[in-house]
Amino acid sequence: AQSVTQPDIHITVSEGASLELRCNYSYGATPYLFWYVQSPGQGLQLLLKYFSGDTLVQGIKGFEAEFKRSQSSFNLRKPSVHWSDAAEYFCAVGGGSQGNLIFGKGTKLSVKP
Amino acid sequence: DTAVSQTPKYLVTQMGNDKSIKCEQNLGHDTMYWYKQDSKKFLKIMFSYNNKELIINETVPNRFSPKSPDKAHLNLHINSLELGDSAVYFCASSLRGSSSYEQYFGPGTRLTVT
Repeated sequence: AQSVTQPDIHITVSEGASLELRCNYSYGATPYLFWYVQSPGQGLQLLLKYFSGDTLVQGIKGFEAEFKRSQSSFNLRKPSVHWSDAAEYFCAVGGGSQGNLIFGKGTKLSVKP
Repeated sequence: DTAVSQTPKYLVTQMGNDKSIKCEQNLGHDTMYWYKQDSKKFLKIMFSYNNKELIINETVPNRFSPKSPDKAHLNLHINSLELGDSAVYFCASSLRGSSSYEQYFGPGTRLTVT
């Protein structure tokens, strides 16, 4: 069965520091992978996606993610975090016959001044 | 222009009541979804409709009934509300058959049952 694991429940970084949020997936075929961000009280916004091709994908707001098949990982990175990046981040895998997304449990990012 | 909209944004009601949440998308998508986000922020698929046909019905109580009058709308009706139904409900849409499986989400409806 498809599954997504985000090992870190809560991460705190200093503003201006680099960020990496981890995501591991379990899927039998080539996965469709997504990162979504949810700001407090808001809906989910798509940051980036991977379907095929270049394993390093660029997204909005300066985020990028790298797909590593050998590690079944799709980690999200940002070189310099801004205070406005404080939010909940969700990794998801799609591509099942029903087209639904399977979400990880999320990582809450806090940014300290 | 709002891509996926939901009404209401907040819904406070008492146990035993019946309520509905509405969702509309103007993206021309043919598949719509309802997800439930619990108090721990975990998101789980509830229903999916493709061209007005139900294609997912996860282990959701039959008090929940989705209704899709057309491809652009997917409403969620909940009967006999219970305390455990308190959650944020998200509507999403996508274009089935495309290579993306990319879903666009609405702003969510926070349901509080007292």
